[in-house]
Amino acid sequence: SYVLTQSPSVSVAPGKTARITCGGHIIGSKSVHWYQQKAGQAPVLVIHYDTDRPSGIPERFSGSNSGNMATLTIDRVEAGDEADYYCQVWDSSSDVVFGGGTKLTVL
Amino acid sequence: EVQLVESGGGLIQPGGSLRLSCAASGLTVSTNQMIWVRHAPGKGLEWVSLISIPGTTYYADSVKGRFTISRDNSKNTVFLQMSALRAEDTAVYYCARAFGGSYYIDYWGQGNMVTVSP
Repeated sequence: SYVLTQSPSVSVAPGKTARITCGGHIIGSKSVHWYQQKAGQAPVLVIHYDTDRPSGIPERFSGSNSGNMATLTIDRVEAGDEADYYCQVWDSSSDVVFGGGTKLTVL
Repeated sequence: EVQLVESGGGLIQPGGSLRLSCAASGLTVSTNQMIWVRHAPGKGLEWVSLISIPGTTYYADSVKGRFTISRDNSKNTVFLQMSALRAEDTAVYYCARAFGGSYYIDYWGQGNMVTVSP
């Protein structure tokens, strides 16, 4: 089965840049999607197809995907960005796959 | 505006059965890929089941043989029939729309809690 690996936590000061990674075997050949989930709320799609932002998502959110790593980058981090972030792909052998999630803490 | 409203959750004993419903408005379930995702306490998101536009069903290994996804086109509603429930099925269950060939999830319900406990 296909596995996506995320670091459990990332901490960043307000105004700085947060980078959240998602590792997977040749993940660069797949389309990666990212979700933000705040405590007690449903997830929200923040990036789809590696780099595309849905309507309403700030330009501070961007994505990249190459080789064995995909990255969600959040520029000029704000307190309101504190949340859990999940990557997701579709794999022919595993169907829908989520990463384990990364907790972003804004210091 | 798309709305997905789940219902049917609650407290159930191990081995019991429960049916979750997801009433959709603003989209037609028969022309969309609908998915159930769960979030267990202290854990990450987990895909549970998906029904494709033609009606083909898919299941995570953890629920295969115990859960059944279906839809009622006349009611524009998706269901998740859960049986032989275990403590590890305890989670918030989200109904959602999965779009495209790589199934990104753009519309989510508010979530419905299922607690499996004696």
